[in-house]
Amino acid sequence: QKEVEQNSGPLSVPEGAIASLNCTYSDRGSQSFFWYRQYSGKSPELIMFIYSNGDKEDGRFTAQLNKASQYVSLLIRDSQPSDSATYLCAVNIELNSGNTPLVFGKGTRLSVIA
Amino acid sequence: ETGVTQTPRHLVMGMTNKKSLKCEQHLGHNAMYWYKQSAKKPLELMFVYSLEERVENNSVPSRFSPECPNSSHLFLHLHTLQPEDSALYLCASSQEVGGRPQHFGDGTRLSIL
Repeated sequence: QKEVEQNSGPLSVPEGAIASLNCTYSDRGSQSFFWYRQYSGKSPELIMFIYSNGDKEDGRFTAQLNKASQYVSLLIRDSQPSDSATYLCAVNIELNSGNTPLVFGKGTRLSVIA
Repeated sequence: ETGVTQTPRHLVMGMTNKKSLKCEQHLGHNAMYWYKQSAKKPLELMFVYSLEERVENNSVPSRFSPECPNSSHLFLHLHTLQPEDSALYLCASSQEVGGRPQHFGDGTRLSIL
């Protein structure tokens, strides 16, 4: 079964530090990769997407993609207590039907300590 | 209104009841999705609709019945649910199926008595 794997955490980092979140996926044909943030009791919110190998930066967030190694990561610089949330990795996976919807990992819980 | 709107936000129902969840998107997207999110489990894809046609049913029990009357509206009809069906049900939409960013509604918190 094609999967998306994340360490569930919790990952604890001090305020101002860099938080590094990792995700691996099993479908070598995946082309689209997303990071969502989900606060407790809320719905997932898209924060980054990346389609090409390498780095993509948006403010304090950097997504890194390595298709050869089948992993995607999210770096959060200058972490703030408000960044404390669960971060979901999503990857488009080809199903038996040929459709390629997004499949989500279990998420990594990040705790930024003030 | 903008984005993806789900109603009701909370629903408590008995196992013999029939109820429906509603989702509406105002983004002009062509694809809509139902997900189930249970504690300590990943988001589970339930159904995928593309231009009102169901293109994916991820082995969901027949007590869940989706309906997509047009590309802006999606329903999930519920009947004779089980306690293990208690979860957060999330609706999402995207420009098309297949690797496009999905935008989520706030979800319906469902509790089965």
